[in-house]
Formats: sequence, C-alpha cells, structure tokens
Amino acid sequence: EAGVTQSPTHLIKTRGQQATLRCSPISGHTSVYWYQQALGLGLQFLLWYDEGEERNRGNFPPRFSGRQFPNYSSELNVNALELEDSALYLCASSLPRDRGTDTQYFGPGTRLTVL
Amino acid sequence: GENVEQHPSTLSVQEGDSAVIKCTYSDSASNYFPWYKQELGKGPQLIIDIRSNVGEKKDQRIAVTLNKTAKHFSLHITETQPEDSAVYFCAGEGRFGAGTRLTVKP
Repeated sequence: EAGVTQSPTHLIKTRGQQATLRCSPISGHTSVYWYQQALGLGLQFLLWYDEGEERNRGNFPPRFSGRQFPNYSSELNVNALELEDSALYLCASSLPRDRGTDTQYFGPGTRLTVL
Repeated sequence: GENVEQHPSTLSVQEGDSAVIKCTYSDSASNYFPWYKQELGKGPQLIIDIRSNVGEKKDQRIAVTLNKTAKHFSLHITETQPEDSAVYFCAGEGRFGAGTRLTVKP
C-alpha cells in the first residue's frame, strides 16, 4: 500500500512569492493534516481537511491556506512568503474519525526555503 | 481542547541502557495515544500506540504505559541501539507533544 506522498521534495522561493505544496493521502483516508516544522523542532498544526471541508485551523495568518480535492488530495498555499516560513512542511492523512482511530500517517515532507 | 506536554526535550543514553519519555494530557476524555519516531530528513512514523482500555502495550524493545488517573503515558525503550537515535513525539486526540531528541551513544 502506497504511503502519503508529497511534492515537491524541495522548494526554493524568494520573499513575497507564493508557494504551493501538494499532498496525496493513503488510499481510503479522507482526512488530511498539514504541519509546519521549523529547524527540527516541534510540529506546529496548520490545517485539517476532511471530506473536502476545512475542519480546524492552527494559529497561523490567513496567508496560509489550502484546500482538499474530491479525490482527497490536498494543496497548501503560502502567499507573500517571509523568511521565517522556511521550514519542513509535513502532510499526514488518517481514516475518517468515526472509524475509531485518528492515527496519522505522515509523508516525507516538503522542505521550503525562502531567500 | 487537549494539551499534551512531553518531557524531557533531550535525552542522551549509553547504548544498551533504557530510555523513558513521559507525556501528560489534560482532557480526561482522551482515549488514544500514539507515539511517533522521526529520523533525520524524514516524516514522523508511528511506532506504537495505546488505547485507554489497556494499561500497557509492548512491541519487542518498546513499550508504552498509560495511567488514566494521573493522565500521563510513557514510552520505554530497552536495550537502546544507535539506530534508536531520533526525535520522538507523543500525541493525544490529534495534538502532539513538543518532541524528545534521543541520542544513543555507542
């Protein structure tokens, strides 16, 4: 069974530009989560999508946005990039919450560097 | 909502020794507690999990214990090996602890 995939692996942008990161969940998973991990530190929760809807949002400015497509894949958009946005962006997927588990399975991440 | 606190933030042990990482949670309704291991350059990977209807679960050299009364759970790694060196995260109800960087010295 294929795991969570993310693209691109690395992304280099300059300040003020926009970045788009993509995530494909494990087959059968309807929930997708996005996290920011700066400098190998903790996981900062960004967004949670389930069945195409945004279910929860972390403490990040509105220039961080995303969406989930009908096939449950997801996109994270970061507008007006700032230097401190440089981080590893991790995507995770899980089965629907009503299946009794919320185990999240992570992708390898996208390393975003803002110059 | 749930808050999960994790200690210690860094842990260094000698190869062969045991390592223990502890987490506390605030929501008494929480009933599922996974642990993840993140190696350098990779995403976190689930290594073991426990549900609130059991007090302990073991898988070879790793075990997790849960104390629902005290609202804390712990990861135990015995006979540590250099390849156990990584960052470990606990989680509860979808919220993650801050992580523990474990270093196993040969």
